[in-house]
Amino acid sequence: EPEVTQTPSHQVTQMGQEVILRCVPISNHLYFYWYRQILGQKVEFLVSFYNNEISEKSEIFDDQFSVERPDGSNFTLKIRSTKLEDSAMYFCASSGGTGRDEQFFGPGTRLTVL
Amino acid sequence: KQEVTQIPAALSVPEGENLVLNCSFTDSAIYNLQWFRQDPGKGLTSLLLIQSSQREQTSGRLNASLDKSSGRSTLYIAASQPGDSATYLCAVYGQNFVFGPGTRLSVLP
Repeated sequence: EPEVTQTPSHQVTQMGQEVILRCVPISNHLYFYWYRQILGQKVEFLVSFYNNEISEKSEIFDDQFSVERPDGSNFTLKIRSTKLEDSAMYFCASSGGTGRDEQFFGPGTRLTVL
Repeated sequence: KQEVTQIPAALSVPEGENLVLNCSFTDSAIYNLQWFRQDPGKGLTSLLLIQSSQREQTSGRLNASLDKSSGRSTLYIAASQPGDSATYLCAVYGQNFVFGPGTRLSVLP
């Protein structure tokens, strides 16, 4: 069964460093998303991406964040200069059809900023 | 701004019981609602998707209903098993997904 994959599973970085989180969405899906979940808190929407551009973004997704689809399979989230409060689980998701279809989530990347 | 709440926050039941988890949302202008389960430290597994035009969806022992006008959804789990122990999240899709805080379910053998 097709699934969303994410790498790495755990990333540890120093404050101020740049990190890139990688995702491979389900192959025939056209809509891609990033979410984050700070430990013990709700899952929060960051950004949605369709047709090689951002379609929606939340207040959390400020200039420190960027997304890219560098090739036909990968979808990346870059955090330019990490802060302690960026420590969280980051989930990638994808959906097909109209973008209002079922979303399928990856296993997540746990980001720890020291 | 859409707000999603879930009741109860935690639930512990003996194996075999039928149970109901509740989800409420403040803005009824949604396209769909999706239920997920999350195991500790893991990702989200999709359980059921209900489009805004639908009233319910069923998958195995799970049944989800949606009353858009009153801003409510319920997830019914029949004949619960220890393997159902997890956190159950509902998420409503308007402009984007807004998640509830989850219900932490423990099914005791």
